[in-house]
Amino acid sequence: EDQVTQSPEALRLQEGESSSLNCSYTVSGLRGLFWYRQDPGKGPEFLFTLYSAGEEKEKERLKATLTKKESFLHITAPKPEDSATYLCAVQAFGAGGTSYGKLTFGQGTILTVHP
Amino acid sequence: DGGITQSPKYLFRKEGQNVTLSCEQNLNHDAMYWYRQDPGQGLRLIYYSQIVNDFQKGDIAEGYSVSREKKESFPLTVTSAQKNPTAFYLCASSREGGKREAFFGQGTRLTVV
Repeated sequence: EDQVTQSPEALRLQEGESSSLNCSYTVSGLRGLFWYRQDPGKGPEFLFTLYSAGEEKEKERLKATLTKKESFLHITAPKPEDSATYLCAVQAFGAGGTSYGKLTFGQGTILTVHP
Repeated sequence: DGGITQSPKYLFRKEGQNVTLSCEQNLNHDAMYWYRQDPGQGLRLIYYSQIVNDFQKGDIAEGYSVSREKKESFPLTVTSAQKNPTAFYLCASSREGGKREAFFGQGTRLTVV
C-alpha cells in the first residue's frame, strides 16, 4: 500500500528564515510526486511534479527536490503570504505499467510565516 | 478560463437526507476524482472515473455514489448511509496521458444539522 508521511506537522518561521519541509514515501513504482499548496477553505493549488530521483523544480521562493525515498520542499526567505498548508502526494504505476491517476496524500505541513 | 467548478460552496444536510455535490470541468480531462478532507487528515479518495460511463471505488466509498454520464461532469451523492458526512469535499480532474497532475476545485463544505 502506498504511504506518504510529511514532517513536521506544523512549522513556524520568521519572515526571511529559510527552511525545508519533508515528504517521505513508499510506493510500489513511482509515477510522480506532487506538491500542492492549500489555503484555508480552498482547494489545493498545484505547485510541482517530480518524476525521478535527482530532479529539481523551482518556483519563486520554493524549490522541490526528489530522492528515491523522500522529497523536500525548500522555502528560501519566506514571506507571510507563503503561509499555507503544503501537501505532498504520490502517484503509483498500476498493474501492467498503467496508472489511473490515484493520488495518495500525506497529512500536510501547516506553515506559518510571521512578519 | 478553464477550470473545475464545484457547487454549492456550503451545504447543510439533515439526518437521513441524500444530498448531491456538483463538479464540472472544462479542461477536457478524461479522469475525475472525489476526495474527502477532514481536519488533521490528508485527502482520502472516495471515487474516481477514467472515462465516461465508468467509475471505480476509492478507499472510502461506503455511503457515497457517483455517476459519469458526461465527460465534463462527475456529481457525488452523499447518502443517508454515510454515518459521518460532515467534511470538506474536493473534486479534481487530470489528463490520462502526459502530464498527469490533478487540478482541484474550490471544494464544498458539507455539514449535517
